[in-house]
Amino acid sequence: GQQVMQIPQYQHVQEGEDFTTYCNSSTTLSNIQWYKQRPGGHPVFLIQLVKSGEVKKQKRLTFQFGEAKKNSSLHITATQTTDVGTYFCAVVAGNSGYALNFGKGTSLLVTP
Amino acid sequence: NAGVTQTPKFQVLKTGQSMTLQCAQDMNHEYMSWYRQDPGMGLRLIHYSVGAGITDQGEVPNGYNVSRSTTEDFPLRLLSAAPSQTSVYFCASSYSARNTEAFFGQGTRLTVV
Repeated sequence: GQQVMQIPQYQHVQEGEDFTTYCNSSTTLSNIQWYKQRPGGHPVFLIQLVKSGEVKKQKRLTFQFGEAKKNSSLHITATQTTDVGTYFCAVVAGNSGYALNFGKGTSLLVTP
Repeated sequence: NAGVTQTPKFQVLKTGQSMTLQCAQDMNHEYMSWYRQDPGMGLRLIHYSVGAGITDQGEVPNGYNVSRSTTEDFPLRLLSAAPSQTSVYFCASSYSARNTEAFFGQGTRLTVV
C-alpha cells in the first residue's frame, strides 16, 4: 500500500514550546488524515486535508497539505500537557483505493 | 450510540490456541478494518471490508482470518496463536471507504505465551 514517512519519531518539549510533525510521501496523495492517540487510548480523528496547499486550524493546531500533495504537517502552538500523545497521519492505499495506511507516528511528551 | 465495540479488552493465549476478537459497530458504517499496533511500528492494516460479504487483505494478513456476514460485525480470528501476534488490536469503521474519518474501538491487548 501507499506509504508515508513520518518524522520525528519522538519529541520532548517544555510546556509552552511549539511542536511540529511531518508526513512525507513519494507519490501524490488524494487526501491525508491526522489522528491523535493518547497513552493507553485509541486513535481519534483530528482532520482531513484534501486540497493542494490547504491549511486548516483547530485552536492551537495548524494542519497543512503541501502544494504538490506529497507532504503534510501538523503544528501545535504553545503546547500544553493535554497535547501529550502520539500523532499519526494516514493515507488511502494507492492500490486498493480503500485501505487506510498509517504513518508510524510521532510521540509527543510535554513536561510542565 | 456505542460506536465501535471491541471484546475482549485483554486476553492471554497459549501458543497454538485459537480465538476470535469481536468487533461491532452501530453506526451503519460500510467500511470496517482491523489494525495491530506494536511499539515503533505504528498501526498496520491486517484485513478490511468494504461491505457485508466483501473482505480483503491488508499489509500483515498472515495468521488472521476475517469474515463479514453482517454490516455491524467484523470478527478477527486467530487460528493458531503465535508469540509474534502479541500486540494491541484495533478495529475501526467509517461511513464509506473514501474520504471519511475512521472511528476506532477501545482496542484488545493480546498476549501470546
